[in-house]
Amino acid sequence: NAGVTQTPKFRVLKTGQSMTLLCAQDMNHEYMYWYRQDPGMGLRLIHYSVGEGTTAKGEVPDGYNVSRLKKQNFLLGLESAAPSQTSVYFCASSYLGQKNIQYFGAGTRLSVL
Amino acid sequence: AQTVTQSQPEMSVQEAETVTLSCTYDTSENNYYLFWYKQPPSRQMILVIRQEAYKQQNATENRFSVNFQKAAKSFSLKISDSQLGDTAMYFCAFPSGGSNYKLTFGKGTLLTVNP
Repeated sequence: NAGVTQTPKFRVLKTGQSMTLLCAQDMNHEYMYWYRQDPGMGLRLIHYSVGEGTTAKGEVPDGYNVSRLKKQNFLLGLESAAPSQTSVYFCASSYLGQKNIQYFGAGTRLSVL
Repeated sequence: AQTVTQSQPEMSVQEAETVTLSCTYDTSENNYYLFWYKQPPSRQMILVIRQEAYKQQNATENRFSVNFQKAAKSFSLKISDSQLGDTAMYFCAFPSGGSNYKLTFGKGTLLTVNP
């Protein structure tokens, strides 16, 4: 059972570079989320999606863009990476019938130098 | 604004003993859910237990139980018969912004179980 898969697991970027984090879920979930986790801060919601083709801003959306072209995939983009975006990124998904129970991926550790 | 507060950054317990992690929250909602997630060193976020606010009975999952005090807006997690594998960060979480799916997390409590 794959569940929620995040790619890549680790990445190092230089300031100003761009990259895309991929989240894929095989549970046919309608809702998907991107969080970042920083030391002492818990998880904070960046963007989320309630269905294919729709996205919305969360608590800390600045510097990130997202797309949900396919129901099973939710992409998080950094157009011009900054050191402040050094973090661990988590993707999660939930389904309409029990939308408040989120299933998480294993996380992506990103360092921006 | 809806907030979640975990006042214990770190805790430790001896194997086989019981430990309680505290969480308080603030909301104007009347019907909602509360969650405890566990994050072991592997970094994977795992749902431990869920409580529905309209249920007076405290939720229980094997060695994990909650003490839910709705009037006090308190939601503590009790771990009985602690095991080495319980060593992890524990996060209290609560749906925020009037939705029942966007979660706000506390800052976490690092629990260490000592042999």
